[in-house]
Amino acid sequence: DAGVTQSPTHLIKTRGQQVTLRCSPKSGHDTVSWYQQALGQGPQFIFQYYEEEERQRGNFPDRFSGHQFPNYSSELNVNALLLGDSALYLCASSFFSGITDTQYFGPGTRLTVL
Amino acid sequence: AQTVTQSQPEMSVQEAETVTLSCTYDTSESDYYLFWYKQPPSRQMILVIRQEAYKQQNATENRFSVNFQKAAKSFSLKISDSQLGDAAMYFCAYTTQGGSEKLVFGKGTKLTVNP
Repeated sequence: DAGVTQSPTHLIKTRGQQVTLRCSPKSGHDTVSWYQQALGQGPQFIFQYYEEEERQRGNFPDRFSGHQFPNYSSELNVNALLLGDSALYLCASSFFSGITDTQYFGPGTRLTVL
Repeated sequence: AQTVTQSQPEMSVQEAETVTLSCTYDTSESDYYLFWYKQPPSRQMILVIRQEAYKQQNATENRFSVNFQKAAKSFSLKISDSQLGDAAMYFCAYTTQGGSEKLVFGKGTKLTVNP
């Protein structure tokens, strides 16, 4: 049973560029959440996708956008990159039962903005 | 807004000993879920244990157990018979209702296990 996978593992970009990160959920899961983890901090919720729509959003600017595909995989897009966007980006998947689901995390993508 | 506080930035324990990591949270909700996640240097966040607020019984998973004090809004993690592989960052997290709601994390506690 494949767990949550993310690509790429590492990414280096320069300020002002755009980046796309990808996530494939655990088999049987239909909900994908994205988190940003700055160095030495706990993860911060960016947004969540369910049924191909953004279901919840954290306190992140519109430069952060996402998409969910019919196969439940998801992309995180960040435009006009800033130095402060350098972080580990974590994807988590779950099955939306509303009661007992738990979020399972992927290995993350380390983004460095120079 | 819900907040999660981990007051111990770093902890250390001798192999085979027991250690307790602290976590407090603030919420006005009555139904919620609490989690402990482990993040080793490999970066992958691994679920250690979860607790439903409506359950009075403390959750246990092998060597890991929690002390859930709902009135005090406290949720500590006890690791018994510590092993070298337990060394990692440990994050306490909170979510409302079902687990698909957003997770609110603490800043983490770095656990070192000494041989």
